[in-house]
Amino acid sequence: GENVEQHPSTLSVQEGDSAVIKCTYSDSASNYFPWYKQELGKRPQLIIDIRSNVGEKKDQRIAVTLNKTAKHFSLHITETQPEDSAVYFCAASKKTGANNLFFGTGTRLTVIP
Amino acid sequence: DAGVIQSPRHEVTEMGQEVTLRCKPISGHDYLFWYRQTMMRGLELLIYFNNNVPIDDSGMPEDRFSAKMPNASFSTLKIQPSEPRDSAVYFCASSPQPGGNTIYFGEGSWLTVV
Repeated sequence: GENVEQHPSTLSVQEGDSAVIKCTYSDSASNYFPWYKQELGKRPQLIIDIRSNVGEKKDQRIAVTLNKTAKHFSLHITETQPEDSAVYFCAASKKTGANNLFFGTGTRLTVIP
Repeated sequence: DAGVIQSPRHEVTEMGQEVTLRCKPISGHDYLFWYRQTMMRGLELLIYFNNNVPIDDSGMPEDRFSAKMPNASFSTLKIQPSEPRDSAVYFCASSPQPGGNTIYFGEGSWLTVV
């Protein structure tokens, strides 16, 4: 099966700085990579995703990059704000077959005002 | 759409009691997932259904756990008997299809077994 590893487990940044979270996956057949944000006491919610036919995707202050050769993908948050403080999960999945999302262990991001 | 609806939101029960968690997926979604979240193990998939049929239950911890999906709009996760180590947040999620499409989580059921 798929194994997703995520680093770091905790990350503190000053407001306005950038934050980068990295994930690796093991199954070369995986081709869909979403990122979820989970605020304290809330459910995980999708913030951005990328498919294997692209190398980078941006949505305002958030971007995700994918390196299929190296089997790793990263989340970049620029100009961080206190409301970005949350736990972020990466995940990987295959498009075909009866599969599901395999999640990383999460990164607790704290943005210090 | 109201999203994935779970009940109860919070439950505190005594060890040995039966616990039933309920889920209503988003209408039209063919896939339903049950996840468990703990500090130690993160988000773990317990079981998932496709068109009401259990596809993969390899994540179910032991025989004390069971899940059913009698129809397209309702699923239950049952723990009998419950133990303190079952304390966790249980998320139900649904998706139009797995792999390549987003899964949408419910608000979760916060279970505490004392």
